[in-house]
Amino acid sequence: AQRVTQPEKLLSVFKGAPVELKCNYSYSGSPELFWYVQYSRQRLQLLLRHISRESIKGFTADLNKGETSFHLKKPFAQEEDSAMYYCAVSGSARQLTFGSGTQLTVLP
Amino acid sequence: EADIYQTPRYLVIGTGKKITLECSQTMGHDKMYWYQQDPGMELHLIHYSYGVNSTEKGDLSSESTVSRIRTEHFPLTLESARPSHTSQYLCASSRQGDDEQFFGPGTRLTVL
Repeated sequence: AQRVTQPEKLLSVFKGAPVELKCNYSYSGSPELFWYVQYSRQRLQLLLRHISRESIKGFTADLNKGETSFHLKKPFAQEEDSAMYYCAVSGSARQLTFGSGTQLTVLP
Repeated sequence: EADIYQTPRYLVIGTGKKITLECSQTMGHDKMYWYQQDPGMELHLIHYSYGVNSTEKGDLSSESTVSRIRTEHFPLTLESARPSHTSQYLCASSRQGDDEQFFGPGTRLTVL
């Protein structure tokens, strides 16, 4: 069974500091990895997926198959980045398994 | 405009009542999903459908039932609500052959 671990439930950084949200997954095949974000009083929405290799709102994530990780990074955090972030993996069943989420707070 | 709609957004109801949570999408997607999410916790898949007349149970056991008579509509029903059903319920949809899911705004259910 596929599983996603986000070890940090809460993460606080100061504005302008680098931020890294950790995500580790377990899946034996070739997974597809996603990061979803939920801003306050908004619906859950896709931030980025590893196959697109895009940088969205300054965030990037690299799939490391050796370490089975898909950490989300941003070099300079902004206050508007404060939100709940969920890592998700899709395997052969073509369904998403979500991690428990990390609440990011960017302090002024 | 292409979107996913959920009604009601908030529902407070007494134990034993029958409730139906509505989900409709104008995205043109074949696949639809229901998730249950407690505050600050992960999303748990409770039902999914790959098309009309196709419904399956998800990873999390749920006393709810679903139906898919029309492509756009995927309602979830609880025959007899209990306090343990208090949670947020999220509906999502995706295209055939794509794993990216699009989410509705959610229904926050409170059973007294």
